[in-house]
Amino acid sequence: QVQLVQSGAEVKKPGASVRVSCKASGYSFKNFAMHWVRQAPGQRLEWMGWINAGNGDTKYSQKLQGRVTITRDTSASTAYMELSSLRSEDTAVYYCARGQYCSTFNCYRGVWFDPWGQGTLVTVSS
Amino acid sequence: DIQMTQSPSSLSASVGDRVTITCQASQDISNYLNWYQQKPGKAPKLLIYDASNLHTGVPSRFSGSGSGTDFTFTISSLQPEDIATYHCQQYDDLPYTFGQGTKLEIK
Repeated sequence: QVQLVQSGAEVKKPGASVRVSCKASGYSFKNFAMHWVRQAPGQRLEWMGWINAGNGDTKYSQKLQGRVTITRDTSASTAYMELSSLRSEDTAVYYCARGQYCSTFNCYRGVWFDPWGQGTLVTVSS
Repeated sequence: DIQMTQSPSSLSASVGDRVTITCQASQDISNYLNWYQQKPGKAPKLLIYDASNLHTGVPSRFSGSGSGTDFTFTISSLQPEDIATYHCQQYDDLPYTFGQGTKLEIK
């Protein structure tokens, strides 16, 4: 079955960086986009960005542009999300989620997230 | 950014009740609207995509409708296992945005 397994919880100090991994199994990793979504305590879900796992193209939320980087290792069927210059407001559960089907040149128009990883709690505290 | 507003923010209903949640977009998003269910401490799960299409394996008591700016999510007969928070999400334009969530409780 299609499954996404994320790395474990992290505690970071303000100004540090964090990298969360997301290992995919049960499908052709290079044929789908991978999205990252976070949920701060009591807040709505917030989309962060996505990567075309086939060609590595990325798009990011403008709010996080410059601080977030999404990469992938196709040999390991794993996507990564790195967030830098951490601040207390970045304390949240971070999810990866499989997105749209992508061919060599473009991705399907329909974007829904299924499945999701189990989530990784990132706590930013001094 | 496209703002998504869900109503109500919380809802209490009895087993067997028909439950309706609405989601309004700040601009026309055609049918580019999805619904997710999130149980406490768990990741969201896709229920409905493209406003009205039931995801594989999702019980038929769940349904969605709407287009443009106004959308509706319905549970035809509430079951105890449906206790969760429900989120709408638009993908008409970047950044993809979510509603604030509707927390559903059993009366």
